Amino acid sequence: ETGVTQSPTHLIKTRGQQVTLRCSSQSGHNTVSWYQQALGQGPQFIFQYYREEENGRGNFPPRFSGLQFPNYSSELNVNALELDDSALYLCASSPGTVLTDTQYFGPGTRLTVL
Amino acid sequence: DAKTTQPPSMDCAEGRAANLPCNHSTISGNEYVYWYRQIHSQGPQYIIHGLKNNETNEMASLIITEDRKSSTLILPHATLRDTAVYYCIVRVAGGSQGNLIFGKGTKLSVKP
Repeated sequence: ETGVTQSPTHLIKTRGQQVTLRCSSQSGHNTVSWYQQALGQGPQFIFQYYREEENGRGNFPPRFSGLQFPNYSSELNVNALELDDSALYLCASSPGTVLTDTQYFGPGTRLTVL
Repeated sequence: DAKTTQPPSMDCAEGRAANLPCNHSTISGNEYVYWYRQIHSQGPQYIIHGLKNNETNEMASLIITEDRKSSTLILPHATLRDTAVYYCIVRVAGGSQGNLIFGKGTKLSVKP
């Protein structure tokens, strides 16, 4: 158990819809990173939030957006869903310090786009 | 792209040591070696990390060569529950450069 929780566990949407995924960080962690994992692939970095500001972004289009709240929980929003957005979405929290910023993952949200 | 190379799959007998190799010949001086594993459809689990020295914790040992161009993760007494995909990742600690770049990993199958 990492103390990182995600909701919902599973989600089914149709193409063109919008979705919001949620993540609660481990206690004491101020940094959250989001990853997308397609079937059979390793996780791909979407973006990272540090103290409510975006702090790095991977190669994902602007329809992937995020928020981090004062309690360091986070949301991932995806607009105009496409079939290829079907994946396991993972969030990871870390302490945000240089030497001890190991990322700890939640269980993920499985998104299916029909 | 991932900066590491791992064998796609390995088998290990239950109770024996599992030695998982990783090549990272282009590693920079300020990059750490991290290991995670992912059991089917779960989130990746942190195992261990190191910079230069060998490291050991309750899960595993990490042996890093002196030139830091390769490393080996050792699970001393593998069990069936250790069957998973193991990822070796090199990264700078902290900041926006600190995101994890996953490759394809090594699928370890522990057999009775």
